Amino acid sequence: AQSVSQHNHHVILSEAASLELGCNYSYGGTVNLFWYVQYPGQHLQLLLKYFSGDPLVKGIKGFEAEFIKSKFSFNLRKPSVQWSDTAEYFCAVSSGGSYIPTFGRGTSLIVHP
Amino acid sequence: EPEVTQTPSHQVTQMGQEVILRCVPISNHLYFYWYRQILGQKVEFLVSFYNNEISEKSEIFDDQFSVERPDGSNFTLKIRSTKLEDSAMYFCASSEELAEHYEQYFGPGTRLTVT
Repeated sequence: AQSVSQHNHHVILSEAASLELGCNYSYGGTVNLFWYVQYPGQHLQLLLKYFSGDPLVKGIKGFEAEFIKSKFSFNLRKPSVQWSDTAEYFCAVSSGGSYIPTFGRGTSLIVHP
Repeated sequence: EPEVTQTPSHQVTQMGQEVILRCVPISNHLYFYWYRQILGQKVEFLVSFYNNEISEKSEIFDDQFSVERPDGSNFTLKIRSTKLEDSAMYFCASSEELAEHYEQYFGPGTRLTVT
């Protein structure tokens, strides 16, 4: 069975700092990769996704993620965070033609103004 | 922008009681899902539903769980006899198509607390 690991459970940054959240998965075949964000009191929203093509994926709100197949990784990055980026971030992976994503545990990001 | 909605936002129930969690998927979506997240743990898939039938379910979705689309808009998750370990956040989601490339849109969740 596939698994998804998010190594940073809690991240605290100041505004304008750069962000990188790690995500690794354990599946050797073709994968679909997702990052979701959940702002306080709101629903899960898709930030970005990778299915094929350019491994550097750009999402909403200035986020991007890079798929590195050799490292089984799909890390999320943002060059300069804002206070409004405070949220829970979830990496998810689906594979083998399945539409059901396996989620990581999530990373809580707090950005201080 | 259309959204998935869920009610109630928070449900407190006693162990052994039945609960029904309600979801209104996006109106033109045909595929519906339930997930749960126990506090501090991963979001876990429970069940998917299409054309009034369960398409897929996880090992978590045992006989105490059931889903239903009682009318043209609601999608419900019933837990017949709640246990303490059912305490979790329950998310509903919907998508246009049942395919790996179609985005699932999530609702805000219902926090279920079993005492």
